[in-house]
Amino acid sequence: DTGVSQNPRHKITKRGQNVTFRCDPISEHNRLYWYRQTLGQGPEFLTYFQNEAQLEKSRLLSDRFSAERPKGSFSTLEIQRTEQGDSAMYLCASRSGTERSEQYFGPGTRLTVT
Amino acid sequence: SQQGEEDPQALSIQEGENATMNCSYKTSINNLQWYRQNSGRGLVHLILIRSNEREKHSGRLRVTLDTSKKSSSLLITASRAADTASYFCATDEGTSYGKLTFGQGTILTVHP
Repeated sequence: DTGVSQNPRHKITKRGQNVTFRCDPISEHNRLYWYRQTLGQGPEFLTYFQNEAQLEKSRLLSDRFSAERPKGSFSTLEIQRTEQGDSAMYLCASRSGTERSEQYFGPGTRLTVT
Repeated sequence: SQQGEEDPQALSIQEGENATMNCSYKTSINNLQWYRQNSGRGLVHLILIRSNEREKHSGRLRVTLDTSKKSSSLLITASRAADTASYFCATDEGTSYGKLTFGQGTILTVHP
């Protein structure tokens, strides 16, 4: 399968715990995006990587959120001290570096904070 | 924040009928994209239309773009039960690194 993959697909955690999600983009794509989607809404942009550089972050990305993309390949999104409001679907997308093109989304990680 | 609104919020039709969804946005754009999402799954890209294009076709899909009205429409012809999903428009405003700003989506139900 050469699409975008995300792990885990589901995560249930207690409030206050830390969680980490992983995204593996399409191998030749150097641009990677994280989005968050709550029930009944469209996805909202969180952060953007070009190769290993994090070039843009949304104001939605509080200090408890951190994202990395070491070596410009896979990416991780960590949430520290989770809150119930963090419950959402976290989506990763990648695209090629050519002219503005479509983004390819992974299946998402559904986070439930109890 | 959401870029704009999609209309209708929900649409229920019979198999074989056409489905039309509309999207309005607020800022100037580089391109507008339509995505489909089956319940609880990731998004699947359907079609991209650039700001200098007015209409695009892909199979049973037809997308129009009116930049003067800041609006777009997605037409699905001869719908099938498998088209049941949520449909989102997303805009690339061209001022940042290609991030997409999504509408809240239209839930389409196609009855067999």
